[in-house]
Amino acid sequence: DIQMTQSPSSLSASVGDRVTITCRASQNINNYLNWYQQKPGKAPNLLVYAASTLQSGVPPRFSGSGSGTDFTLTISSLQPEDFATYYCQHSHSIPPWTFGQGTRVEVK
Amino acid sequence: QVQLVESGGGVVQPGGSLRLSCEASGFSFNAYGMHWVRQAPGKGLEWVAVVWYDGSQQYYVDSVKGRFTISRDNSKNTLYLQMNDLRTEDTAVYYCARVIYHARSGSFDFWGQGTLVTVSS
Repeated sequence: DIQMTQSPSSLSASVGDRVTITCRASQNINNYLNWYQQKPGKAPNLLVYAASTLQSGVPPRFSGSGSGTDFTLTISSLQPEDFATYYCQHSHSIPPWTFGQGTRVEVK
Repeated sequence: QVQLVESGGGVVQPGGSLRLSCEASGFSFNAYGMHWVRQAPGKGLEWVAVVWYDGSQQYYVDSVKGRFTISRDNSKNTLYLQMNDLRTEDTAVYYCARVIYHARSGSFDFWGQGTLVTVSS
């Protein structure tokens, strides 16, 4: 099975900061990588699919990049509503559809 | 608009059974594969199971194989998860989710609100 490792596990940032979250796959997954945002008590919300394509309705301050084994999610200018937990997930050689362990973005 | 509404969660003793339902509306349910994803209290997301759009194939995470069964009734626009021989480690919020494909890359574009399953004596 393909393992997904996110870093960092948590980070502290301020409104307006540029934030980068990394996800590494244990083997080549081409661009079969998704990013989700989850707020406390809510279901996850799809942000980016196929590594770099923004889901409809997602603000352009979010962007995804990468291919193969290394991927990043960047928030260009952190907004108050962006404090949440972010998960990567692969859809290559499925099942299982493995998620990363999550990255919590907290207020500095 | 697309809606997924889970039900059936509750408190059950270890070794017990529970059936979760996910009622779909706002889209052609019989055209989409459907998944269950769970989240233990304070933990991350864990994929649980998938059923093909026509119910022809099902796959599970290793930890639930032989105990959980995913199924669907396309005439009722409803997804199910039959959970037997429940263990304390199955305690989680269970979400149903729709999968959509772009080329060969799949992602979960709509999720239900979740239903809590608590396994405790």
